[in-house]
Amino acid sequence: DAKTTQPTSMDCAEGRAANLPCNHSTISGNEYVYWYRQIHSQGPQYIIHGLKNNETNEMASLIITEDRKSSTLILPHATLRDTAVYYCIVRAREHTNAGKSTFGDGTTLTVKP
Amino acid sequence: GAGVSQSPSNKVTEKGKDVELRCDPISGHTALYWYRQRLGQGLEFLIYFQGNSAPDKSGLPSDRFSAERTGESVSTLTIQRTQQEDSAVYLCASSLVHAIYEQYFGPGTRLTVT
Repeated sequence: DAKTTQPTSMDCAEGRAANLPCNHSTISGNEYVYWYRQIHSQGPQYIIHGLKNNETNEMASLIITEDRKSSTLILPHATLRDTAVYYCIVRAREHTNAGKSTFGDGTTLTVKP
Repeated sequence: GAGVSQSPSNKVTEKGKDVELRCDPISGHTALYWYRQRLGQGLEFLIYFQGNSAPDKSGLPSDRFSAERTGESVSTLTIQRTQQEDSAVYLCASSLVHAIYEQYFGPGTRLTVT
């Protein structure tokens, strides 16, 4: 799996958009970008994933650069409950590899009132 | 509907003892994963089950660790002769085989080895 680089921590004001960057310069053609988050003392929660097109769901938007070497997770209106560690991981979708990703240290997002 | 459940939620054991951790995946999810998360660190893959295929054990850190799964349901992770470095949260996740990326995680078992 390709390695990802994320900032250690970020702050965001409540109600504002939170933009979380991720670099994955060694991503290969069959690898997807996945985002999970982990709220304190809970298991990780799937947020969104994408291959090369931008994606949006009820939780967030994912913007992937044209060269696919970086991406940004956008929480459009952050709330205090969005305070969590956000993990960006890159892996092939085929199930033989899917479970083997090691989530890195992630970005600790703190949403402040 | 019911999510992934794990038991016990907390386990304190003495060094050298064996422990068993249990995971009940979401019904119908054929893929099941175990991860370990040390304090302040990311998730570390341990083992993966997919249907009746042989499990992928490539992440198990030593032969003290083993896991079993009964069909497509319950899984147990066993750690023999526990060591203090085994202290961590052990997380289980499951997914549909055709949506392997959308893993649903349990709340984890916090293991403390004294």
